[in-house]
Amino acid sequence: EAGVAQSPRYKIIEKRQSVAFWCNPISGHATLYWYQQILGQGPKLLIQFQNNGVVDDSQLPKDRFSAERLKGVDSTLKIQPAKLEDSAVYLCASSLEGRISSYNEQFFGPGTRLTVL
Amino acid sequence: DQQVKQNSPSLSVQEGRISILNCDYTNSMFDYFLWYKKYPAEGPTFLISISSIKDKNEDGRFTVFLNKSAKHLSLHIVPSQPGDSAVYFCAARGTGFQKLVFGTGTRLLVSP
Repeated sequence: EAGVAQSPRYKIIEKRQSVAFWCNPISGHATLYWYQQILGQGPKLLIQFQNNGVVDDSQLPKDRFSAERLKGVDSTLKIQPAKLEDSAVYLCASSLEGRISSYNEQFFGPGTRLTVL
Repeated sequence: DQQVKQNSPSLSVQEGRISILNCDYTNSMFDYFLWYKKYPAEGPTFLISISSIKDKNEDGRFTVFLNKSAKHLSLHIVPSQPGDSAVYFCAARGTGFQKLVFGTGTRLLVSP
């Protein structure tokens, strides 16, 4: 079974530029997550999709970050314009559609390391 | 507001000995706890979990203990192996849609 795919693996941009990341989840996984991991910290959830719909984007800086999941499969995360503090690893994860009473393991991709100069 | 804390940024253990990684949390509404392992340049991978209704869960060399009254959990690795060297993240699930809150991680180094 193929894992979660992400691209690019590395990206270097200057502040105020735009950048986009792509994620392809595990086939059949209805739930998709984007996390931001700043150096020395744990992953922080930015946005969670259940199929096409957003179920949690409370920690997404909506003035500069946007995400979409067309057709309930692939997803893109965009930053426009980027700031120095956006330097981090952006992780995508996916899981089976889960009921509140059970837990479905989240499978993570390798991440995209973003450096903003 | 750090709801999940891993106060030890690093731990060094000799091969064959026990590794104990600790995690504290503040939110009593967390109902599921997990440990993830992360190698450099890779995403975290699930290791072991425990429901809040249990106090112990074992899987091979890995055991997770949960002390709800102390809001504390720990991961025991026995015996430790050099391949266990990685960063270990504790995570907790809040109520609702599977949202995980991660700790800051503990880097484990197992030396031969």
